[in-house]
Amino acid sequence: NAGVTQTPKFQVLKTGQSMTLQCAQDMNHEYMSWYRQDPGMGLRLIHYSVGAGITDQGEVPNGYNVSRSTTEDFPLRLLSAAPSQTSVYFCASSYSKWPNTEAFFGQGTRLTVV
Amino acid sequence: TQLLEQSPQFLSIQEGENLTVYCNSSSVFSSLQWYRQEPGEGPVLLVTVVTGGEVKKLKRLTFQFGDARKDSSLHITAAQPGDTGLYLCAGPLDQTGANNLFFGTGTRLTVIP
Repeated sequence: NAGVTQTPKFQVLKTGQSMTLQCAQDMNHEYMSWYRQDPGMGLRLIHYSVGAGITDQGEVPNGYNVSRSTTEDFPLRLLSAAPSQTSVYFCASSYSKWPNTEAFFGQGTRLTVV
Repeated sequence: TQLLEQSPQFLSIQEGENLTVYCNSSSVFSSLQWYRQEPGEGPVLLVTVVTGGEVKKLKRLTFQFGDARKDSSLHITAAQPGDTGLYLCAGPLDQTGANNLFFGTGTRLTVIP
């Protein structure tokens, strides 16, 4: 079982460049979300989706866009990369409703913006 | 504002020792989850605690949810090198109500063989 797959695993961008981080899940989960992990700050929610065609902002959405055209895919777009976006990005999917749920995370994308 | 403070931030112990890590908040949480994250991987769920005062055991790991549902602890008995990792507590991110999580800053545990 693949679970949650993120690509790429590593990426270096120049300031001002744009890119898309890919996330795909094969568990037919309704809920998907993007987090960023920075040293000493835990994971913070960027954007999330409760189903195909429905997305919303999380705690730190500025500089990022998302879309959800299918249940399986939830890409994260960086519009104009800034050094402050250097981080490790995790995509997660989950089923049912809190607390009877479990978030399944991908392996992460380590992004460096120079 | 939600806040989950974890302590200690770093912990390095010898194999076979016992340890406890803590997750504290000024707010009441309906429930909390504990995750473990290994280097280069995403977090993996260990347990969900729902009821105040609840104790759950997972082999050598014992999780407790405080009576007032403002704190939780994780106790590991006879730690092994395979326990090495970042331990994260998490609660529901109340602004979204969509299974999204609010994470603590984590305890990084190293178990030395």
